[in-house]
Amino acid sequence: DAKTTQPPSMDCAEGRAANLPCNHSTISGNEYVYWYRQIHSQGPQYIIHGLKNNETNEMASLIITEDRKSSTLILPHATLRDTAVYYCIVRYSSGGSYIPTFGRGTSLIVHP
Amino acid sequence: GAVVSQHPSRVICKSGTSVKIECRSLDFQATTMFWYRQFPKKSLMLMATSNEGSKATYEQGVEKDKFLINHASLTLSTLTVTSAHPEDSSFYICSAGSSYEQYFGPGTRLTVT
Repeated sequence: DAKTTQPPSMDCAEGRAANLPCNHSTISGNEYVYWYRQIHSQGPQYIIHGLKNNETNEMASLIITEDRKSSTLILPHATLRDTAVYYCIVRYSSGGSYIPTFGRGTSLIVHP
Repeated sequence: GAVVSQHPSRVICKSGTSVKIECRSLDFQATTMFWYRQFPKKSLMLMATSNEGSKATYEQGVEKDKFLINHASLTLSTLTVTSAHPEDSSFYICSAGSSYEQYFGPGTRLTVT
C-alpha cells in the first residue's frame, strides 16, 4: 500500500483558507486518496476522497496533481472548529474491504 | 453518512479485570468491522478485522487471546480486553463500512488502574 507524507503541523487564521498538502508518490493507478480528520478525543470523520479528478463537497475541496503523486485538501473558510488532526490516506484494500491505515497526519490549529 | 456507535464511551477498570466494548452499525449491515487503538498524541493503529460469523484477523503483534473479538451479528462487534493492565489504557475506536467507505465510532476511552 502506498504511504503518505504530511507536514506534522500547520496553522491558519480563522476565515482564511487552509491548504493541507500530502505526498503519495508511490500511489498506484487504482488507489484512491482519502482524507479524514480527528477532533480531540473523537473518532475520525470522513471528509472527502478522489481518484484523479478534483473533488468538492460541503466540507472541503480536494486537488490531486496530474501525476497523482500529491494532493491538497482545501478548507475554504477555516473556523475554530476545524482545529483537528487531518489524515491523508491512500486506500488499502484486502479482499474487497477498504481498510483505512493512518499515518501521523497534520495537526491543524485554526486561530482567531 | 452512516452511523457507528460505541459503548461505553469511557470505562475505568481495575488491573486484572476484563472489559467489553461494543461497536454497532446503526443503519446498515456490516459483515466486516475494524478495531483500532490510539495512544495519546499518536495515530490510530489497526488491531484487528472483525468478520461476521467467523474468526477475527489480527494484525501482527496484537495478542488474540488478550483482545477477544466477537462479531455475532451484522450490526454488532465486541472487543473484550481480558486481564487488563495499565498499559492497555488507550482510546479504542471501531469502524464499519463498505469497499469504498468507512465510518468510525466515537471511540471508547479505557483507563486501567
